[in-house]
Amino acid sequence: LAKTTQPISMDSYEGQEVNITCSHNNIATNDYITWYQQFPSQGPRFIIQGYKTKVTNEVASLFIPADRKSSTLSLPRVSLSDTAVYYCLVGDMRNAGNMLTFGGGTRLMVKP
Amino acid sequence: DTAVSQTPKYLVTQMGNDKSIKCEQNLGHDTMYWYKQDSKKFLKIMFSYNNKELIINETVPNRFSPKSPDKAHLNLHINSLELGDSAVYFCASSQGDRAYEQYFGPGTRLTVT
Repeated sequence: LAKTTQPISMDSYEGQEVNITCSHNNIATNDYITWYQQFPSQGPRFIIQGYKTKVTNEVASLFIPADRKSSTLSLPRVSLSDTAVYYCLVGDMRNAGNMLTFGGGTRLMVKP
Repeated sequence: DTAVSQTPKYLVTQMGNDKSIKCEQNLGHDTMYWYKQDSKKFLKIMFSYNNKELIINETVPNRFSPKSPDKAHLNLHINSLELGDSAVYFCASSQGDRAYEQYFGPGTRLTVT
C-alpha cells in the first residue's frame, strides 16, 4: 500500500470550509484514495473514495489532480461536530485481502 | 439498530488470563475484520475473515485468534494476556468488492493489569 503523508492537526472555525491534503507520491495505477473519519471513543467511519478528478457526496468532496500524487478532502461549512481525526488511505482496497492501513491521520479541531 | 456491535465495551483483566471479545454484524456483509488501536491512536489491522478464508497481519502474535461461528460473527480470543495488549479493539465488516467501505463497531477497551 502506498505511504501517505497528511498534517498532524488542523484548526478551523464553525462555518468555514476545511481542506485536508494528503500526499501519496508512490500511488500505484490500481490504487484508490479513501478517507475515513473517527470521532473520539468511536470506530472510524467511511467518508468518501475516489480514483481521479472530483468526487462529491453528502458529506464531503474529494479532489484528485491528474498526477494523483496527492488528494484533498474538502469539508464544506464545518460545525463543532466535525471535530474528529481524518484518515487518508491509499491502495487497491476493493479486495478484502488488501487490508486497510491507517496512518496517523489529521486531527481537526473546529472552534466556535 | 446497531450495524456492528461488540461486547463487552470495557474489559479489565490481569496478565496471563485468557479473554474473548465478541462481534456481531447485522448488515449481511461477507467479510469481517479486527483492528487494534493503541494509546498513540494508531489503528492497525489484525485479521480479515471472508468465506472461511482468514488473512492474518504477520505482526499479530499467535496468542490472538479469531473465531467465526457464522457469517455474522467474528470473535477475538486472546490467550496469555500481556500488558502490551492493552488497547481499544475494533471489529468491522464490509461487503463484496467494497472492502474500502468498512463499517466499524464501537470498540472494546481492553486494560491488562
